[in-house]
Amino acid sequence: SQQGEEDPQALSIQEGENATMNCSYKTSINNLQWYRQNSGRGLVHLILIRSNEREKHSGRLRVTLDTSKKSSSLLITASRAADTASYFCATDPVQSGSARQLTFGSGTQLTVLP
Amino acid sequence: DTAVSQTPKYLVTQMGNDKSIKCEQNLGHDTMYWYKQDSKKFLKIMFSYNNKELIINETVPNRFSPKSPDKAHLNLHINSLELGDSAVYFCASSQGLIYEQFFGPGTRLTVL
Repeated sequence: SQQGEEDPQALSIQEGENATMNCSYKTSINNLQWYRQNSGRGLVHLILIRSNEREKHSGRLRVTLDTSKKSSSLLITASRAADTASYFCATDPVQSGSARQLTFGSGTQLTVLP
Repeated sequence: DTAVSQTPKYLVTQMGNDKSIKCEQNLGHDTMYWYKQDSKKFLKIMFSYNNKELIINETVPNRFSPKSPDKAHLNLHINSLELGDSAVYFCASSQGLIYEQFFGPGTRLTVL
């Protein structure tokens, strides 16, 4: 079953506003990653947060992780039209053996209106 | 310089045909992946290939087979294509399992 699920499925905001997307997952994780996908393109890695970290920043991005609630959020501050894209969380679940694989959610479609 | 490249970008073919998608990475990574993205944008891992170890997602039909001639290439071969195989296929690579992955631009496969 799908490990990460993003919320909301779609988000539309005005340029300059902040955008917050949430990700919930089901099992314990080693790390959680956020990716961006522009229309018709491949995914681009944004940020990785480890299970022992609670918050991480990268430019206008802020990611939080609450392992007790099995959830993460991605905040984009001062959004720009160029931030319009789909955003995916991907989890690295704790499991035995060598079959470690990222599990992606179905994404949040963010539209930033100029 | 393109880090992860895939060819072709678009592939339209008839049901029952066999096709291949090629992937190359010039990042020196030791792990490569194939993902399938359906029409709802759900991204599903199909294979990962790390130091000659192939990890297969058990839900992938055996009509799909990855082939790695060397560390920089992981091609995807599909036999007896079906309508349900229509999707966008992404190749990716990383240094080590699970860490930051670099994706190719995708191959949109349409089976008629």
